[in-house]
Amino acid sequence: QQNVQQSPESLIVPEGARTSLNCTFSDSASQYFWWYRQHSGKAPKALMSIFSNGEKEEGRFTIHLNKASLHFSLHIRDSQPSDSALYLCAVNTGANTGKLTFGHGTILRVHP
Amino acid sequence: EAAVTQSPRNKVAVTGGKVTLSCNQTNNHNNMYWYRQDTGHGLRLIHYSYGAGSTEKGDIPDGYKASRPSQENFSLILELATPSQTSVYFCASGRDRTSAETLYFGSGTRLTVL
Repeated sequence: QQNVQQSPESLIVPEGARTSLNCTFSDSASQYFWWYRQHSGKAPKALMSIFSNGEKEEGRFTIHLNKASLHFSLHIRDSQPSDSALYLCAVNTGANTGKLTFGHGTILRVHP
Repeated sequence: EAAVTQSPRNKVAVTGGKVTLSCNQTNNHNNMYWYRQDTGHGLRLIHYSYGAGSTEKGDIPDGYKASRPSQENFSLILELATPSQTSVYFCASGRDRTSAETLYFGSGTRLTVL
């Protein structure tokens, strides 16, 4: 059974700040790691994914994955008020099941 | 952009009543999922399907049934609704079983059981 935990639960940062969100998982055989973003009252939407150890950058967003530590993180450079949302990390559960286990989420607020 | 449509958007039901939530996808995806979202719990998987005629139990299936009559449609059924099933329900579709592909979510159904 996959156990996914996120920290912090909530975060308030000023516009322009660098923001870091954390996610830990329990199954060392996990292969697929995702961040989804959900604006208030909207559907969750995939933000980024990573499938091998290391770092992946897309614009202002960077994912770090360390499988040995059972940890991955999302870093946002130059945070904007439009980044204010619930951030959900997700990890595959089992091999070839199509199932993702989500964390409880981190609420990010970026104030101008 | 992949499309997943849920209906109704909002539903008020009475305890003991039957509730059916519907989901339609035009992505031609094999997999479909039902999640519920409660404050402090993120998204929890109720039922999922690998194709028409197939349903599988997720992590919290008790009190729910699912039906996948076609590739496009996936329903969640609460035979005897209880107040503890008050929540926001999301349907999602995905291409395959690898989890390497994006899940596409509908806009959600807010269910209140009185």
